[in-house]
Amino acid sequence: NAGVTQTPKFQVLKTGQSMTLQCAQDMNHNSMYWYRQDPGMGLRLIYYSASEGTTDKGEVPNGYNVSRLNKREFSLRLESAAPSQTSVYFCASSEALVGDTQYFGPGTRLTVL
Amino acid sequence: KNEVEQSPQNLTAQEGEFITINCSYSVGISALHWLQQHPGGGIVSLFMLSSGKKKHGRLIATINIQEKHSSLHITASHPRDSAVYICAVKANTGNQFYFGTGTSLTVIP
Repeated sequence: NAGVTQTPKFQVLKTGQSMTLQCAQDMNHNSMYWYRQDPGMGLRLIYYSASEGTTDKGEVPNGYNVSRLNKREFSLRLESAAPSQTSVYFCASSEALVGDTQYFGPGTRLTVL
Repeated sequence: KNEVEQSPQNLTAQEGEFITINCSYSVGISALHWLQQHPGGGIVSLFMLSSGKKKHGRLIATINIQEKHSSLHITASHPRDSAVYICAVKANTGNQFYFGTGTSLTVIP
């Protein structure tokens, strides 16, 4: 099992460009999450999907959209990238939203110039 | 305002020492997680707690719900324990997750 995979691993964008970060899990988990990690601020939840077909905002959703394509895949889209979105992005999944261990992907390092 | 505070921010220990990392939180929670982030960036979940104490190998995690406090202990520390340890809570309203900024641990041989 690959666990949680993310693509790409690295990306450089210019301000105003758009891109989609892909995440997939092969553990048949119901819940999936997108986080960003910035120096000195810790991880912050952007969006989550409690189950297939549902998505909800986290702590810092502005500037992002998500799609839960199916049970395996949860994508994060930046429609018009800004330098403030330079960060490391982590996808995670868990069996259920409450009371279950989260499994993290390897991360995507995004730089917006 | 930080919903989750960790201490210390940085910790250096000699191999074999007993280590304690503390986590305090200000919101009502349904679960608390301890995570380990390796120098390469990968994040691994160590524990998920809602009450009491859990042990896995040399790692022990405790939680006091009334005091809104959790501790992560590492017994007989080893250089391979060097990592950033992150405390996270699942709020019991609004389905939000909040993370501490992490404790950077270095264990010297």
